Amino acid sequence: EAGVVQSPRYKIIEKKQPVAFWCNPISGHNTLYWYLQNLGQGPELLIRYENEEAVDDSQLPKDRFSAERLKGVDSTLKIQPAELGDSAVYLCASSLDPLGSTQYFGPGTRLTVL
Amino acid sequence: GENVEQHPSTLSVQEGDSAVIKCTYSDSASNYFPWYKQELGKGPQLIIDIRSNVGEKKDQRIAVTLNKTAKHFSLHITETQPEDSAVYFCAASRGQGAQKLVFGQGTRLTINP
Repeated sequence: EAGVVQSPRYKIIEKKQPVAFWCNPISGHNTLYWYLQNLGQGPELLIRYENEEAVDDSQLPKDRFSAERLKGVDSTLKIQPAELGDSAVYLCASSLDPLGSTQYFGPGTRLTVL
Repeated sequence: GENVEQHPSTLSVQEGDSAVIKCTYSDSASNYFPWYKQELGKGPQLIIDIRSNVGEKKDQRIAVTLNKTAKHFSLHITETQPEDSAVYFCAASRGQGAQKLVFGQGTRLTINP
């Protein structure tokens, strides 16, 4: 069974530029999560989707971050414009459902903002 | 909201010895406590979890204990091997499942041959 797929794996951009990350969850997983992981820290939840609905986006900085999961399968996280402090690893995870099921993480996208 | 503290931040043990990592949490309503292992360049991988109706759970060389009164839980790895070297994260969540995991800061475990 294929795991969570993320692309790109690495991205280097200049500050103020836009950037987008893509995630394809495990087949059949209805719940999708985006996390931010700063260097030397644990992941922090940005947004959680149940199918195509964002059910928890309280931690998403909505002035510059946006996300979508239009067909309830793959998802895109966007930053516009990027700032130096956005340099981090962006992790995507999925689970079969939100109740009592394991979250499976992708390898992440390492973003460097110069 | 929930706050999870994890100690130590780094841990070095000799191969074959045991390693213990401890976490405390603040929200008494939390009832799901997973542990993740993260290797370099990879995403976190679940290695064991425990729910609040259980005090201890074991899976081969890995065990987790939970003390709900004191609000702390621990990961125990016995007979450590070089492949156990990684960063380990504890997490806590309210509700029935893993909807909103709050992670600790991580422990870098190094197994010395």
